Amino acid sequence: NAGVTQTPKFQVLKTGQSMTLQCAQDMNHNSMYWYRQDPGMGLRLIYYSASEGTTDKGEVPNGYNVSRLNKREFSLRLESAAPSQTSVYFCASRGGGDEQFFGPGTRLTVL
Amino acid sequence: GNSVTQMEGPVTLSEEAFLTINCTYTATGYPSLFWYVQYPGEGLQLLLKATKADDKGSNKGFEATYRKETTSFHLEKGSVQVSDSAVYFCALGTDSWGKLQFGAGTQVVVTP
Repeated sequence: NAGVTQTPKFQVLKTGQSMTLQCAQDMNHNSMYWYRQDPGMGLRLIYYSASEGTTDKGEVPNGYNVSRLNKREFSLRLESAAPSQTSVYFCASRGGGDEQFFGPGTRLTVL
Repeated sequence: GNSVTQMEGPVTLSEEAFLTINCTYTATGYPSLFWYVQYPGEGLQLLLKATKADDKGSNKGFEATYRKETTSFHLEKGSVQVSDSAVYFCALGTDSWGKLQFGAGTQVVVTP
């Protein structure tokens, strides 16, 4: 039981490049979330998916798109990366209770 | 809107010292309150939670009480260990979609 997995762990991009961050969970959870973590700002919600087939914007969605591919997988895409998107990205999932389970994170640097 | 305010860190303590991390919130309705912990190089994990006023959450020697009158959820531990060195996040949840609003986080450093 791996919980929430994220790939890649680290990534360096040049401004304007695109990439997709992958997230998968094996806990049969309905809800999944993408956050970014920046120093002094805590975690901010980018997008979430309450169930398979639905997605919705969070607090900071600009510059990102998401896909809920199936119940297990929820990907985050940067179409044209900008230095302001340098951050640590966390995926999380939630089942029937309150607790969110977090992946180990992806550290992204945009030059 | 909803917001969470935590005391700024880093907080540096000696082993066996008493730890308090202040957290206050602003929210409409009746939020659930959480403390998450992030150990170095890892994702966040739930430390404790409280879902209604006067509830006390506890785990691993940490405690926090949901105080509606002061809109606070302060985290305490009576005797910290080096292994408690981490970043602690206070968070509130207000909707059925499970979305969380996080505070900025407080880094705690415990020295031997």
